[in-house]
Amino acid sequence: DQQVKQNSPSLSVQEGRISILNCDYTNSMFDYFLWYKKYPAEGPTFLISISSIKDKNEDGRFTVFLNKSAKHLSLHIVPSQPGDSAVYFCAATIRGSQGNLIFGKGTKLSVKP
Amino acid sequence: DAGVIQSPRHEVTEMGQEVTLRCKPISGHDYLFWYRQTMMRGLELLIYFNNNVPIDDSGMPEDRFSAKMPNASFSTLKIQPSEPRDSAVYFCASSLAGWVSGKDTYEQYFGPGTRLTVT
Repeated sequence: DQQVKQNSPSLSVQEGRISILNCDYTNSMFDYFLWYKKYPAEGPTFLISISSIKDKNEDGRFTVFLNKSAKHLSLHIVPSQPGDSAVYFCAATIRGSQGNLIFGKGTKLSVKP
Repeated sequence: DAGVIQSPRHEVTEMGQEVTLRCKPISGHDYLFWYRQTMMRGLELLIYFNNNVPIDDSGMPEDRFSAKMPNASFSTLKIQPSEPRDSAVYFCASSLAGWVSGKDTYEQYFGPGTRLTVT
């Protein structure tokens, strides 16, 4: 039973356009969410996070939106660059749970020049 | 800081052999996590430690898997005997979970992984 779901295995976007990666969760206890980026032959790298007390967090070209009522979050990358091509993982946890992250299966983003 | 260090990066072994994967966490981090990544199951947590003590090993698939953390700077994941279905990429991650520098944080920092192939 997947508690964190990324329903799109892949996404292709033109350079300069917006990339939107989506993530859904089923456990209403989750209150902290993270996005990771992973290049081939490397470990996942932390990108951005959001607490459930917010509905938006921005860091440069990356913005994460949280819709608690829909149990949905999304990562927006604007503008997309070829170097953003990677697998993106959504993760969720319960604050105070000692950091046990539950990961989605990832979305492979390809940004074409 | 050098980040999380894992060794070996690649391991090829025959079924039935013992395999030991190693991890050095980021200095000062008090949590250490072992994950396994496969195409079918994605990234799944195997076990995690807090201050060298195993907290939750419910993700360890079988008794053939064991993990230790003898000190704050070293952990091992052992598979004995290994089987072809254990073939996967194994990641180690470390973190300072909770309230750090006035900020709530749960980011985990991953090592480069060990690609294990059991033939």
